[in-house]
Amino acid sequence: AQKITQTQPGMFVQEKEAVTLDCTYDTSDQSYGLFWYKQPSSGEMIFLIYQGSYDEQNATEGRYSLNFQKARKSANLVISASQLGDSAMYFCAMREGQGSNYKLTFGKGTLLTVNP
Amino acid sequence: EADIYQTPRYLVIGTGKKITLECSQTMGHDKMYWYQQDPGMELHLIHYSYGVNSTEKGDLSSESTVSRIRTEHFPLTLESARPSHTSQYLCASTQIGNSPLHFGNGTRLTVT
Repeated sequence: AQKITQTQPGMFVQEKEAVTLDCTYDTSDQSYGLFWYKQPSSGEMIFLIYQGSYDEQNATEGRYSLNFQKARKSANLVISASQLGDSAMYFCAMREGQGSNYKLTFGKGTLLTVNP
Repeated sequence: EADIYQTPRYLVIGTGKKITLECSQTMGHDKMYWYQQDPGMELHLIHYSYGVNSTEKGDLSSESTVSRIRTEHFPLTLESARPSHTSQYLCASTQIGNSPLHFGNGTRLTVT
């Protein structure tokens, strides 16, 4: 079974509008972390935002915020005021467990296109 | 400013050749990883290391091998490259559980 599910292969948004990229996860661990990465066409992976399973408030980093709904096991990325440079692949990822065991499992990604 | 370096950035090589993809980081991180990614697809973990002389296979079976003789260096080797190895290979590192993975720029490998 998929541990990370991103159901939107592609999304379109108009410049300056907000967009939500969906991510659901599956884990039986109590301690886990959720990450979002951006991958432009050049191929590098850029870390955007992190949410820990015990964090009570939704994470925010500039124009990025994470809508964390623990009971629904969802961790959606919200990008406000979209810019043309936001066009890229976006990956949701999960770290399970804690301590020295650290592996990230990635979803299939969502290709975001920002239209002028 | 890159703290984790991968070379080469692009590599085109013939079938049967032995290749080594280099990955070095200057952050002193104990944990290092290799991911394989086909264009537009998800990342698959193929190898990881939690420290010197520690290496493990990842979730995706790979014919490649890795070594970790020094903390900062985590090379990946293919003894005999095949067209099915054509992919992007991403190296990453981290130190503690809540920190993100820091990725290199990747090596795009094409085997003809």
